[in-house]
Amino acid sequence: QVQLVQSGAEVKKPGASVKVSCKASGYTFTSYGISWVRQAPGQGLEWMGWISAYNGNTNYAQKLQGRVTMTTDTSTSTAYMELRSLRSDDTAVYYCAREGPPGRFDYWGQGTLVTVSS
Amino acid sequence: QTVVTQEPSLTVSPGGTVTLTCASSTGAVTSGYYPNWFQQKPGQAPRALIYSTSNKHSWTPARFSGSLLGGKAALTLSGVQPEDEAEYYCLLYYGGARVFGGGTKLTVL
Repeated sequence: QVQLVQSGAEVKKPGASVKVSCKASGYTFTSYGISWVRQAPGQGLEWMGWISAYNGNTNYAQKLQGRVTMTTDTSTSTAYMELRSLRSDDTAVYYCAREGPPGRFDYWGQGTLVTVSS
Repeated sequence: QTVVTQEPSLTVSPGGTVTLTCASSTGAVTSGYYPNWFQQKPGQAPRALIYSTSNKHSWTPARFSGSLLGGKAALTLSGVQPEDEAEYYCLLYYGGARVFGGGTKLTVL
């Protein structure tokens, strides 16, 4: 069965970086992309970006350009999302989600809480 | 800045029918926006319900259906169950970018 298992909760200070992982299993990793989505406390979902696990191509949300990097490691079927220069409003639950073409979101990770606090 | 708009809240009686909509600030929503719909309950990850306007996942209950209606994407729940009380989000594709709507809180009362 398809599973996306994310890394554990993180607490970071403002200005630091965080790297969240998303380990995929149960399917051919390189046949799909991964989107990253975050949700601030009590707020809605925000799409952060997408990476192709096939060739590493990325699309990032405009507001995060320059602060976010998404990568994959095909040898371990793991996707990563790194967010730099953290601010308090980056406090959120971060999710990875599998995307197949065209326009098909299906499986989601369990979420990773990132707290940014001094 | 592209904005995707959903009804903030809706209330439906058990067994009733309700339609949630998803509008784009750029104009009419078409199949080329690949509308997706998600359900989220408190403390849980979102769950995908509909992709590419009207396609259901294997786990999507038959009472959920997706369509295009009056220039918007729509999610219709027929024969609503108490467990359908949740937040519902749509997502639209804009070329390489994806944008979520603000969500609709559905109350079953």
